[in-house]
Formats: sequence, C-alpha cells, structure tokens
Amino acid sequence: GNSVTQMEGPVTLSEEAFLTINCTYTATGYPSLFWYVQYPGEGLQLLLKATKADDKGSNKGFEATYRKETTSFHLEKGSVQVSDSAVYFCALSVGGTGGGNKLTFGTGTQLKVEL
Amino acid sequence: GAVVSQHPSRVICKSGTSVKIECRSLDFQATTMFWYRQFPKKSLMLMATSNEGSKATYEQGVEKDKFLINHASLTLSTLTVTSAHPEDSSFYICSSPRGTDTQYFGPGTRLTVL
Repeated sequence: GNSVTQMEGPVTLSEEAFLTINCTYTATGYPSLFWYVQYPGEGLQLLLKATKADDKGSNKGFEATYRKETTSFHLEKGSVQVSDSAVYFCALSVGGTGGGNKLTFGTGTQLKVEL
Repeated sequence: GAVVSQHPSRVICKSGTSVKIECRSLDFQATTMFWYRQFPKKSLMLMATSNEGSKATYEQGVEKDKFLINHASLTLSTLTVTSAHPEDSSFYICSSPRGTDTQYFGPGTRLTVL
C-alpha cells in the first residue's frame, strides 16, 4: 500500500534558521508528491508539489526535490520567519497529479518559529 | 480567501445523538468531495469519497451506516455521524478537487462526543 513517514514534531527554530522536515514514502505505482501547510484555524493549503523524479517543487522560499532513489521528498527553507509557524504535511497520490485523486498523508510536523 | 467552507467549526454532543457536518465549495462546482478524519498526532485518514448524484465510496474499515454522506448538490456535501460515541470524537476535514491540479481543503470541524 501507500504510506508517508515524516519527522515528528514539534520543531522549534529561531527566525532566519535553516529548516528541514524529512519525508519518505512507499507507494504502489508512480506517485506525485506534495507538501501541504495548515496555518492555525485554517484549512490545508498546497505549498508545493512534484510529479516526477528529480523535479523540484518550490514556493514561498520552500523547496523539496523528488528523490526516487531514496523515496524521499524533504522540505527545506533557508531562512524561516515567524509567519512560517504552522503544521506541514507531506502527502502523495498515485495515478494523477492530485486534483481528483486520493491523498495519503504523513502525520504532520508542527513548526514553531520564535524571534 | 477560502474556497471550501465547513460548518460548524466545532460541535459538542451527547452520546447517542447524531451530528451533521456541512462542506461547501464557495465559488466552484464540486462533483467530488473527500472526507478525512484526523486524530491527534496522526495523519489525515481518508474516510470516503462523496460523489454528486451517486453513492459515496467508503474506504475499507469505515462504517457507511455510521458515517452517512450525502452529496446534495454541486456545492454541498454533508457528513452525518449517527449515534455518536466518544470514540467518534475527532477532527473532520473535507476537501474538493478543483481542476486537475490540486485539492482545496475546508478548515475542519472539531467533534467532541460526551
């Protein structure tokens, strides 16, 4: 079956620190990979995605590269801000780009950025 | 702004009662909606796929008689938790695909069953 494993949180960083949130996956078939972010009191929002090996998804200074050989999709940001404090979910879908397809999520990693 | 809304945002009910949660797409038509359940410190678990004009498709292990789904229109899907028990307490989230690119998620409903 499909599964996503991501590092447990919470992760607490100082502003301008470097962020890495690890994500690995197992999938039957060729998955598309996603990072979603959930800000307090809001619904999940797509942060970035990659649909094939070696693709790099990027948005708002966040990046993640689809690594087929290590089945990973680690999220990185060079300099975090207080406004990045949220819960980050790694996810995959098989058989499409995620629009109408089922998503399998990781457990979520809470990030707290302090001044 | 939000494109998928949920109502209510939180609800507390007594054991044995039924609770209805609404999920609305605000500015687009949604022929498909997904319902997820999120446990504390756990991943979102897909419960069912709601299809406008046809029966919902439930994931393995989800009781269809307990979690009733009705996709009443192209902008509304409802999840009714029947005869609720404390173990049904959870965070319920809906989502809807828009185009082929992504899914839009509602803000979630916190259900507490006493």
